[in-house]
Amino acid sequence: DGGITQSPKYLFRKEGQNVTLSCEQNLNHDAMYWYRQDPGQGLRLIYYSQIVNDFQKGDIAEGYSVSREKKESFPLTVTSAQKNPTAFYLCASSIAWRSLELNTEAFFGQGTRLTVV
Amino acid sequence: QQQVKQSPQSLIVQKGGISIINCAYENTAFDYFPWYQQFPGKGPALLIAIRPDVSEKKEGRFTISFNKSAKQFSLHIMDSQPGDSATYFCAASGEGFGGSQGNLIFGKGTKLSVKP
Repeated sequence: DGGITQSPKYLFRKEGQNVTLSCEQNLNHDAMYWYRQDPGQGLRLIYYSQIVNDFQKGDIAEGYSVSREKKESFPLTVTSAQKNPTAFYLCASSIAWRSLELNTEAFFGQGTRLTVV
Repeated sequence: QQQVKQSPQSLIVQKGGISIINCAYENTAFDYFPWYQQFPGKGPALLIAIRPDVSEKKEGRFTISFNKSAKQFSLHIMDSQPGDSATYFCAASGEGFGGSQGNLIFGKGTKLSVKP
């Protein structure tokens, strides 16, 4: 089955710890994204990657870091610098970062719920 | 400039009724307008999308109406069913707004409850 897999589904972090959320896709998509979802806030873009070995900051990148060493993988690290990390994190991918000819649909994973304890 | 404003925040509809969710945008560079459906604890999934060269698109019970001059678009769910109960997000993307060209800008979501 093709799709996006996020792991773990639930994650607990202690104050001051870094944690890494996994996102893997087997859709052969070039573009990948990380969003944060808070109640009543919609989806806010953290980082995005147009292609392997390249990534850009989104609207709320502070306290987060990413890497894109492989096309199929786009892990997100929530660092201790992120003061309010408790949220639902969603990874997504699309066939291309931007193309008027191609379907720009974004496919989402099932999310990781991160809680600070 | 990059905002997409969605209303209402929540909506309760009787089974068989019509659910209507509205979105408005400011950036005239937006040229792709999808709607996503999200069930609790799950990731959003694309429901239906429209480009500004058409004023309406229908897929089954779901219809997008698009008003380019007013910079508004809406989702209509006909014959709403309890299984439609979910959170719905509108979004927009387009060229020419800094480093996030091509990325989806989401509305804040509408929680729809369809009562049996």
